[in-house]
Amino acid sequence: GNSVTQMEGPVTLSEEAFLTINCTYTATGYPSLFWYVQYPGEGLQLLLKATKADDKGSNKGFEATYRKETTSFHLEKGSVQVSDSAVYFCALMFETGGGNKLTFGTGTQLKVEL
Amino acid sequence: KAGVTQTPRYLIKTRGQQVTLSCSPISGHRSVSWYQQTPGQGLQFLFEYFSETQRNKGNFPGRFSGRQFSNSRSEMNVSTLELGDSALYLCASREGLAITDTQYFGPGTRLTVL
Repeated sequence: GNSVTQMEGPVTLSEEAFLTINCTYTATGYPSLFWYVQYPGEGLQLLLKATKADDKGSNKGFEATYRKETTSFHLEKGSVQVSDSAVYFCALMFETGGGNKLTFGTGTQLKVEL
Repeated sequence: KAGVTQTPRYLIKTRGQQVTLSCSPISGHRSVSWYQQTPGQGLQFLFEYFSETQRNKGNFPGRFSGRQFSNSRSEMNVSTLELGDSALYLCASREGLAITDTQYFGPGTRLTVL
């Protein structure tokens, strides 16, 4: 079936370090791919998305490229800040012939320290 | 535009009771989806409504039900509450049903079952 696999957390980085959070997926067809972020006590916020192969989503310094050949959508940021500390979820949405749903990874907690 | 709103934000119930949660989507959005988030199971899809019709349903028992009104507002109901129903319930809205349509999430309702 369709699924998303994310790297286990927590990931702990120093401020200004480079961030990569790996995400791979299994899906039939051509899903849309998303990264959401969840801050403590809040709902999910869309960080970025890509809807076709080789698309690059970007927002607030975060980037991810839809790689069909490696079925991956890794999240990167060149220089993290303490305020980036949160849980990051990779998700996909695929055609079902009816309504759709987001299928999420397990989430990766990021802690950024001074 | 105002974001997705959910009421109440917090609920405490006892086993065997029932509960109704409410969600108001972003203006103009006709689709509303519900998700359950728990530490053990992560984010799981409950159901999606579009134009007052249930379009997709997740793998939850019949105790979980929902509906959507003509103004796109949605409610979900859980009857005969069990301890395992304690979770953060997230509502998300989007404009349409394409897999490229982004789901925007509300802050969630935290349900505690004692």
